[in-house]
Amino acid sequence: DGGITQSPKYLFRKEGQNVTLSCEQNLNHDAMYWYRQDPGQGLRLIYYSQIVNDFQKGDIAEGYSVSREKKESFPLTVTSAQKNPTAFYLCASSIRWGRDYRETQYFGPGTRLLVL
Amino acid sequence: KNEVEQSPQNLTAQEGEFITINCSYSVGISALHWLQQHPGGGIVSLFMLSSGKKKHGRLIATINIQEKHSSLHITASHPRDSAVYICAVRLQGGSEKLVFGKGTKLTVNP
Repeated sequence: DGGITQSPKYLFRKEGQNVTLSCEQNLNHDAMYWYRQDPGQGLRLIYYSQIVNDFQKGDIAEGYSVSREKKESFPLTVTSAQKNPTAFYLCASSIRWGRDYRETQYFGPGTRLLVL
Repeated sequence: KNEVEQSPQNLTAQEGEFITINCSYSVGISALHWLQQHPGGGIVSLFMLSSGKKKHGRLIATINIQEKHSSLHITASHPRDSAVYICAVRLQGGSEKLVFGKGTKLTVNP
């Protein structure tokens, strides 16, 4: 079955620690996205990637980093510079980045990050 | 003011009731999405609209471009419809980026 997987489901971070959230898709999608969801707020875009070896900052990129070495994978690192990392993180993908407004984003199951 | 506003924030209904969730936006858009987020957190896309009306099973979504408003209706609601429903818009200009509403939490009691 095609889809998006995220791991782990729950992740705990200690003060000053970097942690990496995994996102893998087997949908052959070019575009991938990372969102952060906080209680009472809409999803906010952290980073997005239109194609392999290319990515751009979203609206709240500070304290985060990404890589896109393979089409299937778009890991997100939450660095120690992110002072308020506790949130629900969602990865998504879409067929391509383009002007076709009909394209839908497909979401993974999410990772809940908690700070110890 | 948020670019995408949803109402109500929370909604409780009895099984079988007709449900309406509203979404208003203040920007020019090329498309509007309705998404469903279950208690576990995963999100599923329900509809993508650029005009008119779409129906899938007991779900109906409408959009009025002139009034910048969309509604999601659920007929004969069921407890399994309990979820957070999220409205998201794609801005005009060919951007792939979506702007999300805060969501409407629906609880359907048996």
